[in-house]
Amino acid sequence: SAVISQKPSRDICQRGTSLTIQCQVDSQVTMMFWYRQQPGQSLTLIATANQGSEATYESGFVIDKFPISRPNLTFSTLTVSNMSPEDSSIYLCSVRTGREPQHFGDGTRLSIL
Amino acid sequence: AQKVTQAQTEISVVEKEDVTLDCVYETRDTTYYLFWYKQPPSGELVFLIRRNSFDEQNEISGRYSWNFQKSTSSFNFTITASQVVDSAVYFCALSETGGTSYGKLTFGQGTILTVHP
Repeated sequence: SAVISQKPSRDICQRGTSLTIQCQVDSQVTMMFWYRQQPGQSLTLIATANQGSEATYESGFVIDKFPISRPNLTFSTLTVSNMSPEDSSIYLCSVRTGREPQHFGDGTRLSIL
Repeated sequence: AQKVTQAQTEISVVEKEDVTLDCVYETRDTTYYLFWYKQPPSGELVFLIRRNSFDEQNEISGRYSWNFQKSTSSFNFTITASQVVDSAVYFCALSETGGTSYGKLTFGQGTILTVHP
């Protein structure tokens, strides 16, 4: 399966600031997704990162808050903008290609002070 | 819309006991995939198994086994002779194959499994 690298692995940020999370895959993949896992909760899909076009957001998530880029088939970024303590979560990148099941990066643990 | 329910929030067992994690799902799709993932305390999400809706064969992999019953919309997971290293949060998930839902995972709330020595 693809090797997925997420950076940073964790960060502590001040409210009102923004953080960009990177997801790098060691091979070309068809689909890339971003999920959020709030403390003690399950995973919720934020958006599907589309190569060369705007991401497709799920209900409750908007581009102004979570801008996403995917310039090629191996890389994507998620920005968490104007952060508040409610954004403290684990953010996970996942990839799927061909008939392979979806695999996840190790996640980015984000804490907002 | 699809939904996955894991009714057991937490399970606590003693090492070597067998334990079954329940998962019930809802979907209007006739073709879909079901998954189990494990999230150990370190936080990464580890893929365990995928089943498609046409394959109701039960599967055994070492100490793990899965029971898929379409008639009851259930996809249960059993760990035989549990070990301390099995302690983790286990997520059941569903992926539909049609239209805009293609590839997206809907997760259950997770079951926290604690195995005591």
